[in-house]
Amino acid sequence: GQNIDQPTEMTATEGAIVQINCTYQTSGFNGLFWYQQHAGEAPTFLSYNVLDGLEEKGRFSSFLSRSKGYSYLLLKELQMKDSASYLCAVGNQAGTALIFGKGTTLSVSS
Amino acid sequence: SAVISQKPSRDICQRGTSLTIQCQVDSQVTMMFWYRQQPGQSLTLIATANQGSEATYESGFVIDKFPISRPNLTFSTLTVSNMSPEDSSIYLCSVGSWAGVNTEAFFGQGTRLTVV
Repeated sequence: GQNIDQPTEMTATEGAIVQINCTYQTSGFNGLFWYQQHAGEAPTFLSYNVLDGLEEKGRFSSFLSRSKGYSYLLLKELQMKDSASYLCAVGNQAGTALIFGKGTTLSVSS
Repeated sequence: SAVISQKPSRDICQRGTSLTIQCQVDSQVTMMFWYRQQPGQSLTLIATANQGSEATYESGFVIDKFPISRPNLTFSTLTVSNMSPEDSSIYLCSVGSWAGVNTEAFFGQGTRLTVV
């Protein structure tokens, strides 16, 4: 079966660093995606990993280990506007739809 | 990157009626995807809309309830038929292609449907 797990909620303070973990078990693998979704809005693409290792994009980094079925999203220098839901998703096969985890709601406080 | 225009952005509908959601992409794409996001939940795939063939539905979703059209490579519609309050959700269309190191997948802005 298909299974993607991530924590339901996390809290952090402004300026801190937070790591959101995601583990997956899927019948195929063609990339792991992270999306940010603010309440009432559509998901916004953050990152895509298909090879093992760390991808850095400004304050956000994403890591993938295919052998462990594991990824994390690292958010640095947290800002209040980073309060959102973060969705981990797996591309099962090239060009097919994504399988989403249930999302992690991150609350950033001052 | 692809720009996706989805409309309507929101609607309030009476139970028993139908609503058609439109999704327009600014470039030609082979596959378009329709997702549903129920309140407080993550995204669930409804179906994959292929140009020139029948849509492929996921378990729990049927064509009679969610008919899909895909008349060309830049446009698709999803109809929510015979609506009930349980259909109140955000409906999202998505496109993307990934078969390499650098890729992205995009969503329309979503349609927030409330059935009363």
